[in-house]
This record gives sequence, C-alpha cells and structure tokens, in this order.
Amino acid sequence: GAVVSQHPSRVICKSGTSVKIECRSLDFQATTMFWYRQFPKQSLMLMATSNEGSKATYEQGVEKDKFLINHASLTLSTLTVTSAHPEDSSFYICSARETGAPGTQYFGPGTRLTVL
Amino acid sequence: GENVEQHPSTLSVQEGDSAVIKCTYSDSASNYFPWYKQELGKRPQLIIDIRSNVGEKKDQRIAVTLNKTAKHFSLHITETQPEDSAVYFCAAAYSGSARQLTFGSGTQLTVLP
Repeated sequence: GAVVSQHPSRVICKSGTSVKIECRSLDFQATTMFWYRQFPKQSLMLMATSNEGSKATYEQGVEKDKFLINHASLTLSTLTVTSAHPEDSSFYICSARETGAPGTQYFGPGTRLTVL
Repeated sequence: GENVEQHPSTLSVQEGDSAVIKCTYSDSASNYFPWYKQELGKRPQLIIDIRSNVGEKKDQRIAVTLNKTAKHFSLHITETQPEDSAVYFCAAAYSGSARQLTFGSGTQLTVLP
C-alpha cells in the first residue's frame, strides 16, 4: 500500500533556530503534497499545498516566509520552520496525494516540534 | 470556501453497540468525502471514503452514507470494539486538480468494554 514517511518524528530546538521537516512518498509519485498543523485535541489545519516544480500555495494566515516549502521531486516535499518560536510548537503532518485517479491522500506519521 | 461541521465532538458507546458520526458540508461542488481514524500521536488513517455518485458504501463493520441534497454524510460503525476507540475526522473535497481536504473538527469515540 501507499506509504508516506516523515522525518524527523520529533525535534526539540532553541528559539530562533530553523527546523527542516521532510515528507516522502515511498512507493508512489505525488504531484501534490499537503502540510497540516494539528494542536492537541484539535483538527488538522491545512497550512499549504505543495506542488512539484512550482511554488506552494499557502492558506490564509500562514506566513510563507516563516514556513518555507520546497517540492523538488515527485516523492519529496520539505517544510522549513524558520526562526522558530515557542508558539510554533505543534504537531506537523504532511500528506501526499497519488498522481492520477483516485487521488487518495495518505498521511505521514507527523513531526512533533517543540521550541524552547 | 468549504466548511465542514462534525457532530458529536465526543461519543461513548458500549462494546458491541453501534456508533454514528455525522458531518455536514457547505460547498455543493464537493464530491469526495473520506473518513479518517487517528489514534493518539499517530497519523490519520483513511478508513473509508465515498464519492458523490454513490449514496452508501460499506466495508465490513464500517459504512458511510451520503445525502447530496441535504449536504450531509455519516459514518456508521457496527459491533464496536475497544480498538475502535480513536478520534474520527470527516473531510470533504472537490476532486479537482489539487483536491484539498477540508476536515471536520473530529469526534473522540470511546468504546467501553
């Protein structure tokens, strides 16, 4: 079945540093990947849509200079949280959509980011 | 844009009973409705989905119904088991080029042994 990996699974960093999170589709090609943020006991909030070879589309209220997204290949998208602050601490989850029908989305295992 | 509302936010049932979770959506253009199960600290797992050309879909103990006119869809779990305990999210999307999912707020299902 379709598998999406995400790395790292957990990261702790100091305020002001940048953190890169990788999302990979392991056994299928994904033209489109999505990045979500999830707070405890809350739903998934779409941050941005990542399209291979083009600029990401950010949802309203998400700072594109804060959350840099790169989708350099059909199997890899990266999210970089720049100059992280404690309020950026959250669970970040990516999903990858199969190219072509039916286009099911599969989620990565998530990355728990803690900014001290 | 699309807005998805989900009810109830919490649901407790006795093992063996049925559980029903309901969602409504606002955008009549939406035509794809998946349901995800998320255990604590883990990824959402697709458990069933339905497209707008179908009114009902069943997979063993899980079924989903869709009423396009009323713009609501429901998840039905029969013969619930303790391992069904999790948060369930409904979602809606237009099956266009990107198919962005709009998620409901989630339902914490607890199956009591």
